Amino acid sequence: SAVISQKPSRDICQRGTSLTIQCQVDSQVTMMFWYRQQPGQSLTLIATANQGSEATYESGFVIDKFPISRPNLTFSTLTVSNMSPEDSSIYLCAGGSSYNEQFFGPGTRLTVL
Amino acid sequence: TQLLEQSPQFLSIQEGENLTVYCNSSSVFSSLQWYRQEPGEGPVLLVTVVTGGEVKKLKRLTFQFGDARKDSSLHITAAQPGDTGLYLCAEPLTDSWGKLQFGAGTQVVVTP
Repeated sequence: SAVISQKPSRDICQRGTSLTIQCQVDSQVTMMFWYRQQPGQSLTLIATANQGSEATYESGFVIDKFPISRPNLTFSTLTVSNMSPEDSSIYLCAGGSSYNEQFFGPGTRLTVL
Repeated sequence: TQLLEQSPQFLSIQEGENLTVYCNSSSVFSSLQWYRQEPGEGPVLLVTVVTGGEVKKLKRLTFQFGDARKDSSLHITAAQPGDTGLYLCAEPLTDSWGKLQFGAGTQVVVTP
């Protein structure tokens, strides 16, 4: 398994600003993913972070709003740009193994005022 | 993409009681994973079931995979407050390597 850390763990931001969330994996994973989750609800995949190339976004999510970087196999960032209160959510990073299993970070709880 | 239906949506029980949560689909699962997410944490993989009829046990948790691989259940015996969390089933997407399709989840609350 992989141990995944995220920071910040939580933040309160003003409308119109941007926040960058960092994700660090302790070992090399084949895939890295970013999810969004409302408390008590299931996970919604935002994008797959690809090493050295542009992320692959799911329907409803665009690069201008959620730019993602993955400069190496163990690190990725997700930026939530030009935030509005509707962006308030929990953002989770996950690493994928070759067995299609995923290991999650603890999440970043974002509140936009 | 097939729909994973989980039931019930919410379950509140007393410590020591048993509970079962379900994950169903109209199509055959390639394999199925169960995750538990405790409050304030990310989901943690509990088990992967692959073979129809398979039964796996993890301490007080028993996972079953239906013979036709269209359904799965998670049974907890003598639940404890530490079992409180969101239980999610997930299936690997066959056309998108590494990606998972998650069910809506079952929120379990075990009170002392």
